[in-house]
Amino acid sequence: DAGVIQSPRHEVTEMGQEVTLRCKPISGHNSLFWYRQTMMRGLELLIYFNNNVPIDDSGMPEDRFSAKMPNASFSTLKIQPSEPRDSAVYFCASSLSGGRNTEAFFGQGTRLTVV
Amino acid sequence: AQTVTQSQPEMSVQEAETVTLSCTYDTSENNYYLFWYKQPPSRQMILVIRQEAYKQQNATENRFSVNFQKAAKSFSLKISDSQLGDTAMYFCALGGSNYKLTFGKGTLLTVNP
Repeated sequence: DAGVIQSPRHEVTEMGQEVTLRCKPISGHNSLFWYRQTMMRGLELLIYFNNNVPIDDSGMPEDRFSAKMPNASFSTLKIQPSEPRDSAVYFCASSLSGGRNTEAFFGQGTRLTVV
Repeated sequence: AQTVTQSQPEMSVQEAETVTLSCTYDTSENNYYLFWYKQPPSRQMILVIRQEAYKQQNATENRFSVNFQKAAKSFSLKISDSQLGDTAMYFCALGGSNYKLTFGKGTLLTVNP
């Protein structure tokens, strides 16, 4: 398996533009997570899905952020409109959520810069 | 609520020596998992070691081992025979029944030649 695949690896956009980050989880995994990493706040969980259903989106910072998982092999995180403070590395991770073994496999992240 | 605290923002160690990274956590659950992840400059998050809370025996993976003290809610990582490739950010993480992984803020480890 190729692991968790995220695209793009880097994104530079202007303030106010819409940004869409994409993620393909590992085949067979039924949990998917979106994390944001910044120097100040570390790794923050934004939202996670189980069996394509959003379970907890309490980490989504504002209504400008939205996430979807239309099927088991694809998820998107959208920011509209983007702001400079959204600049961060965004990670997608997936796991096979059997029991409490929540080991997560991470993608390589998308570095977002909003200017 | 789950919390994970890593009190050492940065550490350094000489090549071939041993270093211990600290982590404390808080959870109201009895069954949970603890993890150490490594993030090298490449940015990829890599699982280093995992510990099931119901197991008393400390997990070991080659040069990496943990000291799991359940009553104290402490989960430290020991790296023996440190290598230059161990230079990375290390994150302690807690997984609970709701499948969420909560991370600490990380410890930047530098291995010096």
